[in-house]
Amino acid sequence: EAGVAQSPRYKIIEKRQSVAFWCNPISGHATLYWYQQILGQGPKLLIQFQNNGVVDDSQLPKDRFSAERLKGVDSTLKIQPAKLEDSAVYLCASLPGGASSFQETQYFGPGTRLLVL
Amino acid sequence: AQSVSQHNHHVILSEAASLELGCNYSYGGTVNLFWYVQYPGQHLQLLLKYFSGDPLVKGIKGFEAEFIKSKFSFNLRKPSVQWSDTAEYFCAVSHGSGNTGKLIFGQGTTLQVKP
Repeated sequence: EAGVAQSPRYKIIEKRQSVAFWCNPISGHATLYWYQQILGQGPKLLIQFQNNGVVDDSQLPKDRFSAERLKGVDSTLKIQPAKLEDSAVYLCASLPGGASSFQETQYFGPGTRLLVL
Repeated sequence: AQSVSQHNHHVILSEAASLELGCNYSYGGTVNLFWYVQYPGQHLQLLLKYFSGDPLVKGIKGFEAEFIKSKFSFNLRKPSVQWSDTAEYFCAVSHGSGNTGKLIFGQGTTLQVKP
């Protein structure tokens, strides 16, 4: 089966610009996560969707970050305006279903590497 | 707040040496435990996971990990490493009950295996 797709793979922007990342999870996967991985650290959850609803966005900096998953399939994560400290890899991951599937494996995409100058 | 601590940031071994990477977590409730690996230029992928039952779990490529509840630890082991094991290794935890599947990761350990 096809894996989690993300684009773009790399992005360089200047601070205060805006940027958007796209994720297409594995077909049929209801749960989608966005993680931020800063260099030298492990991934940190930004937001979790169950179908098109937000389950957890407690660590999303809502003054500048937004995310949506309108049709319960693919998702976009936006940063506006970007700051230097937003330089990181943004990972998307998906799971097949709801609560009963949380012991299953999260499948990760290749990530989008963002550099803010 | 929950946290995951990986003791070794960078490990260098020769081929055939034994490997043990430490992982400790801070959470008093039921947990699910994972080790993920990221080979150079590749996605994060699952090595092994523990949910319940036998605390010694076996994963892919000869890796195993032991859950010691009293020590809040889930150390990763391999008896004989290969050059192809060069990668970054992440320990992760999720809550076992009322679970959203949210993973909390350690900071990662970079393993370099010399041929």
